[in-house]
Amino acid sequence: GAGVSQSPSNKVTEKGKDVELRCDPISGHTALYWYRQSLGQGLEFLIYFQGNSAPDKSGLPSDRFSAERTGGSVSTLTIQRTQQEDSAVYLCASSLYRLAGGNTGELFFGEGSRLTVL
Amino acid sequence: AQKVTQAQTEISVVEKEDVTLDCVYETRDTTYYLFWYKQPPSGELVFLIRRNSFDEQNEISGRYSWNFQKSTSSFNFTITASQVVDSAVYFCALKSGAGSYQLTFGKGTKLSVIP
Repeated sequence: GAGVSQSPSNKVTEKGKDVELRCDPISGHTALYWYRQSLGQGLEFLIYFQGNSAPDKSGLPSDRFSAERTGGSVSTLTIQRTQQEDSAVYLCASSLYRLAGGNTGELFFGEGSRLTVL
Repeated sequence: AQKVTQAQTEISVVEKEDVTLDCVYETRDTTYYLFWYKQPPSGELVFLIRRNSFDEQNEISGRYSWNFQKSTSSFNFTITASQVVDSAVYFCALKSGAGSYQLTFGKGTKLSVIP
């Protein structure tokens, strides 16, 4: 489809293992976000990519978290040495960025990757 | 710092009732944008509406309406004649003016419409 695609949809892992979550944004959307959604906690901003600019990593909770975006399209969020508190739904969103007005704020979300750390 | 408060954690209504979801925001910016997103059980958040801080006109779209009041820093969302398909978690969000990209989300209100 033409929407934001995330994989895997579900991931169960053991504490201490590394995981990679993938996001394929809508074609033409240069802005890409990662959010984390924990039960009852709303959406927590993790990282933002815009074109070739340096990403805003200010929301990453620890140095175990990293993300990259290759070729301005697909993004991978990596969590190293997973902990039980990392269990959450990781949401990716993309949006248009207009030179005149900047980011519209209208985000298109994927269905998320549910991570469970045992 | 920006903040969005959705005081209602969960609401249950019977089908065909009207329901209002509250949203109160805090910001020091004079230019900002407010949003509502819907997250159905499938998990994918869907954009519903965006309002800028200079436009306080109420918006109506079918059974949905939004009331923006700067005097009370509120941006409330009303669903008229609710339907089972309206059952979802609804998020209110805030973004600073042009040049900003980060949305601050509230914690969401879970709406259950009972047939």
